[in-house]
Amino acid sequence: DAGVTQSPTHLIKTRGQQVTLRCSPISGHKSVSWYQQVLGQGPQFIFQYYEKEERGRGNFPDRFSARQFPNYSSELNVNALLLGDSALYLCASRTSAGSYNEQFFGPGTRLTVL
Amino acid sequence: QQQVKQSPQSLIVQKGGISIINCAYENTAFDYFPWYQQFPGKGPALLIAIRPDVSEKKEGRFTISFNKSAKQFSLHIMDSQPGDSATYFCAALAGGTSYGKLTFGQGTILTVHP
Repeated sequence: DAGVTQSPTHLIKTRGQQVTLRCSPISGHKSVSWYQQVLGQGPQFIFQYYEKEERGRGNFPDRFSARQFPNYSSELNVNALLLGDSALYLCASRTSAGSYNEQFFGPGTRLTVL
Repeated sequence: QQQVKQSPQSLIVQKGGISIINCAYENTAFDYFPWYQQFPGKGPALLIAIRPDVSEKKEGRFTISFNKSAKQFSLHIMDSQPGDSATYFCAALAGGTSYGKLTFGQGTILTVHP
């Protein structure tokens, strides 16, 4: 069975640019969450989406936005990139929005901002 | 704001030894405490989790010990193997309306020498 897939694997951008990251959840999973993992630190929660609606947002600026599509895939957009946005961006999916449902993480997209 | 503190940052153990990683939390609303294992190039994967109504949970060589009054929990890896070499993250979640937001510790890089 395919796990959570993310694209692209790696991405290099320059300051001020915009980036879109993509996530396909495990088949049957309706909830997607996004996390930012800066090198040497634990992942930090950015967003959670369930049934195409934003259900939760972490402490990130408005430059970060996301959406979920009818097929439950999701995109994370980051505008006006800063050097500090360089990180591994992880997508996690689970069956529903229930808090205790196991979250399955994808391999991430490595974003480098120069 | 670091709500889950993890130690040590790195750990070197001989094959067959016991690996111990500790975490402490501040938010008393946390009621679910998972541990994740992350290999290079991969996303975190759930290893074992515990609720605060029990003081210990064991799955194979992995054991979580939980001390509610001290707001601390730890992961013990018995008979550590070179294949256990990875980064380990503790995490915490507050149920109810938390929409499954995981708060992660900083991570521990475990190296098991053969």
